[in-house]
Amino acid sequence: DSGVTQTPKHLITATGQRVTLRCSPRSGDLSVYWYQQSLDQGLQFLIQYYNGEERAKGNILERFSAQQFPDLHSELNLSSLELGDSALYFCASSDGGGRGETQYFGPGTRLLVL
Amino acid sequence: GQNIDQPTEMTATEGAIVQINCTYQTSGFNGLFWYQQHAGEAPTFLSYNVLDGLEEKGRFSSFLSRSKGYSYLLLKELQMKDSASYLCAVRLTANDYKLSFGAGTTVTVRA
Repeated sequence: DSGVTQTPKHLITATGQRVTLRCSPRSGDLSVYWYQQSLDQGLQFLIQYYNGEERAKGNILERFSAQQFPDLHSELNLSSLELGDSALYFCASSDGGGRGETQYFGPGTRLLVL
Repeated sequence: GQNIDQPTEMTATEGAIVQINCTYQTSGFNGLFWYQQHAGEAPTFLSYNVLDGLEEKGRFSSFLSRSKGYSYLLLKELQMKDSASYLCAVRLTANDYKLSFGAGTTVTVRA
């Protein structure tokens, strides 16, 4: 158990809908990262927040947005969902001072868009 | 784009040794990570290299050569539970810590 929690574990929805994925980082970690993992793309970095501020952006679609709240939990919002958005979405956190800035991953949210 | 290459699959026998190679050509380099991922589960941290050389941690060792853009993960005394995907990831900058991942190497351990 990495200490990173994600909800929900599974999500099934229809095309065109909007969903929100939630992540709570490890206690004391200030950075949160979101990754998408699909069968044909591997793990792709989406976005990073550090202490409430956006720090880095990857290939995140405009239909996707995220934020980090004052209590450091983060939410990833996916809208106008398409079949291709079906994937595992992982959240990771790091402490901002540890050796190598190791990222610890949550259990993921499996999204299925029908 | 970033190029991080690993073999797709490897098979080895229980008790044996397997070496997973990773080569990278990236716009920056600030450390290389290895993660283990069992199917449908979260990646778990195995090792981190930022300087050239070998880092040993129990049955797992990781090596880095920055001049060659090359790393390997060595798994010794293989156990059935080591059957998993092994992901090589490069941290590109010291500013934002985001990781660029390779596609992963699926290791199958046979009895």
